[in-house]
Amino acid sequence: GAVVSQHPSWVICKSGTSVKIECRSLDFQATTMFWYRQFPKQSLMLMATSNEGSKATYEQGVEKDKFLINHASLTLSTLTVTSAHPEDSSFYICSASQQGVNNEQFFGPGTRLTVL
Amino acid sequence: DAKTTQPTSMDCAEGRAANLPCNHSTISGNEYVYWYRQIHSQGPQYIIHGLKNNETNEMASLIITEDRKSSTLILPHATLRDTAVYYCIVARRRSNDYKLSFGAGTTVTVRA
Repeated sequence: GAVVSQHPSWVICKSGTSVKIECRSLDFQATTMFWYRQFPKQSLMLMATSNEGSKATYEQGVEKDKFLINHASLTLSTLTVTSAHPEDSSFYICSASQQGVNNEQFFGPGTRLTVL
Repeated sequence: DAKTTQPTSMDCAEGRAANLPCNHSTISGNEYVYWYRQIHSQGPQYIIHGLKNNETNEMASLIITEDRKSSTLILPHATLRDTAVYYCIVARRRSNDYKLSFGAGTTVTVRA
């Protein structure tokens, strides 16, 4: 149980285009989903927290207009990187938790984004 | 959330127990100790968590000192597949502000 998937697992795009990454909780309802970013040889950095049906809460320094997060259902959250640039190239990881039950965060396998 | 201090790296022999220390001297009463690990190019994997009692599951044991200022993750019989970065995180649980702040972690290399 507690499986989280991400799609795509990797993506290459041209500078200026937008990329959407999906995060799904496969066997539980995720009241909260989190988006992280990890640059090479660095640790995970939390970008934003999203609760189903409400606006995401972004961490300081993360541009909400550039990283659009939608959490429309209890099993799906999406992160859209708008007008991507090479410096946005990174490993994007989501996690999901079910508040009030165990609360542990279960992580997806990550999405490798490369912007040319 | 309280910060944690972990050694940068450690080696251990395959088949032996691996003991991973973590200091969290500023931990507050409602904060739990969580351990995650990240194998190269994968998402983090939950290992175990605890508040003040020692905990054990199929993956590992967590020993928390009585004053809760430090803890040790024990992998009882390390295998090559346990090679990963291990993160010790302190966070409040069952709150709306439940966030995991990842530090640098300990890079554990299991050698044959």
